[in-house]
Amino acid sequence: DAKTTQPPSMDCAEGRAANLPCNHSTISGNEYVYWYRQIHSQGPQYIIHGLKNNETNEMASLIITEDRKSSTLILPHATLRDTAVYYCIVRGSSASKIIFGSGTRLSIRP
Amino acid sequence: DAGVTQSPTHLIKTRGQQVTLRCSPKSGHDTVSWYQQALGQGPQFIFQYYEEEERQRGNFPDRFSGHQFPNYSSELNVNALLLGDSALYLCASSPRNRDRGTGNTIYFGEGSWLTVV
Repeated sequence: DAKTTQPPSMDCAEGRAANLPCNHSTISGNEYVYWYRQIHSQGPQYIIHGLKNNETNEMASLIITEDRKSSTLILPHATLRDTAVYYCIVRGSSASKIIFGSGTRLSIRP
Repeated sequence: DAGVTQSPTHLIKTRGQQVTLRCSPKSGHDTVSWYQQALGQGPQFIFQYYEEEERQRGNFPDRFSGHQFPNYSSELNVNALLLGDSALYLCASSPRNRDRGTGNTIYFGEGSWLTVV
């Protein structure tokens, strides 16, 4: 699985959009970009994933660059409950395990 | 639709004891993996089961073992507990690669907190 690089921490004002970047320059053609978040003391929560097209669901939007070497997770209206560690993961659809990096610790300020 | 469920949520054991943690996968999933997450670190892959056999294993000693039952539920056993085994143990489930076209999303349970004293 390709390696990802994320900033160790970010902060965002409540109500504003939180944009979390991820670099995955060694991603291969059949690998997906997945995002998970982990709120303190809970299990990782799946957020969204994509291959090459931008994706949106009820939680977030995922923007993948055309060359697929980076992506951005967008939380459109951040709330205090979005405070968590966010993990960007690249893995093939047949890969059965996740290799976690350090993630980005997102803090939402009132 | 029940997600991944784990039990117990918290437990305390003494060094040298043995522990068994349990996991029921998300409905429709037949592959179960276990992860260990020490405080302040990301989860680390322990092993994976499907068709009742261990299929992949991470860098964990033989003290860590598992089992999968015909109903796809799974157990993680840790023998001869060490203080360093204190961690959050996460179970994750996924369908077995049936749909390469849309990805193969892995879902996690809330974990079992193990404290070894």
